[in-house]
Amino acid sequence: DAGITQSPRHKVTETGTPVTLRCHQTENHRYMYWYRQDPGHGLRLIHYSYGVKDTDKGEVSDGYSVSRSKTEDFLLTLESATSSQTSVYFCATGGLLWVEQFFGPGTRLTVL
Amino acid sequence: GIQVEQSPPDLILQEGANSTLRCNFSDSVNNLQWFHQNPWGQLINLFYIPSGTKQNGRLSATTVATERYSLLYISSSQTTDSGVYFCAVESRRGQETSGSRLTFGEGTQLTVNP
Repeated sequence: DAGITQSPRHKVTETGTPVTLRCHQTENHRYMYWYRQDPGHGLRLIHYSYGVKDTDKGEVSDGYSVSRSKTEDFLLTLESATSSQTSVYFCATGGLLWVEQFFGPGTRLTVL
Repeated sequence: GIQVEQSPPDLILQEGANSTLRCNFSDSVNNLQWFHQNPWGQLINLFYIPSGTKQNGRLSATTVATERYSLLYISSSQTTDSGVYFCAVESRRGQETSGSRLTFGEGTQLTVNP
């Protein structure tokens, strides 16, 4: 598995507050992805990155922004958290065989 | 967008039994992967298999792209096989410049009892 860590692993916040989740990888993988996992929906792609400062939207990008200022870090920001953003968030990376993806441990976010 | 349906949604087995999980998709695919999410939530990449057959120990997978389905076989199941199995596909031709954008099915919840 790629060396992928996510922080924090758990977070409880209130509606309207900004939240930033961090994904850190040690494998020098070019591609990074953010997904959310909800019951009945499987995993859905939020945003992804194909290089430093190169990002694009996924299936459920509304209310989220991302940044990638260096290869190893991919940040997901909820500018103003809502209860509908309560979810488990997974980061993934893709490396030399660029079509494959490897997942981090996940962050459980609760918005009250 | 592409639709992914997995069956069965739930499966309960006794240790040592064999099982087949199915993934149907609504469009031609250039990327198909199987993942296992263990009871602690960790997602593990099992196979990258847009066509053909692959085997890894007790697990094997077959994708018949022309008929738009993939099968995951688990033989001699063990309690550690428990968890959720996801199929994920990409219908567009992904590019090395942009990576791959996967659409996931809702998964098959597998429980293996001792």
